[in-house]
Amino acid sequence: QVQLQESGPGLVKPSETLSLTCTVSGGSVSSGSYYWNWIRQPPGKGLEWIGNVYQSGNTNYNPSLKSRVTISVDASKNQFSLKLTSVTAADTAVYFCARVIVPAAINWFDPWGQGTLVTVSS
Amino acid sequence: QSVLTQSPSVSGAPGQRVTISCTGSSSNIGADFDVHWYQQLPGTAPKLLIYGDSNRPSGVPDRFSASKSGTSASLAISGLQTEDEADYYCQSYDSSLSAWVFGGGTKLTVL
Repeated sequence: QVQLQESGPGLVKPSETLSLTCTVSGGSVSSGSYYWNWIRQPPGKGLEWIGNVYQSGNTNYNPSLKSRVTISVDASKNQFSLKLTSVTAADTAVYFCARVIVPAAINWFDPWGQGTLVTVSS
Repeated sequence: QSVLTQSPSVSGAPGQRVTISCTGSSSNIGADFDVHWYQQLPGTAPKLLIYGDSNRPSGVPDRFSASKSGTSASLAISGLQTEDEADYYCQSYDSSLSAWVFGGGTKLTVL
């Protein structure tokens, strides 16, 4: 059974870069059957899709975040990563990683990681 | 402002039936992209509840059902139980945005 686990700093200073990693166990990021996603949830608010990456390195990003987001995959470590630049307090959120089966546009997010809280504060 | 619109809250007594609506547009639900539903218990990650408009994953009770029509979808929960108290989110794909989109979430309170 595939499991996803987020990791990274819980505190990031304003204007700096948020970096998170999702480690996949029980499955492979190199599988051609999935897109690997980042989703976030500000405290007390709803879910926002950030973007995803395919094993080839092909990416899709939320237009509202596209200028600041980079998602990449590292097959050697069976991980995929998120970088969000120039963060502000509005980027404070629980960040989740999740998997989508190809064809991704019609499919659902499952499973999800447990999430990691990132706070942007000086 | 979420691309998919959900009412912020709904409530019901144990044993009752409630419905949660999810309204989209011609570029997402109306374009016949599938709608999926998630249940999020406090302090936990969302859990897949319904996929492909109306299908339940293994382990999800048949008290949960969903449907889609036009630019809207709905989730119904019958025989409400206290453990159903959670936030519920709908999700689809938007072809205009080329993005996966969520509803704003509906908080279910079991009175």
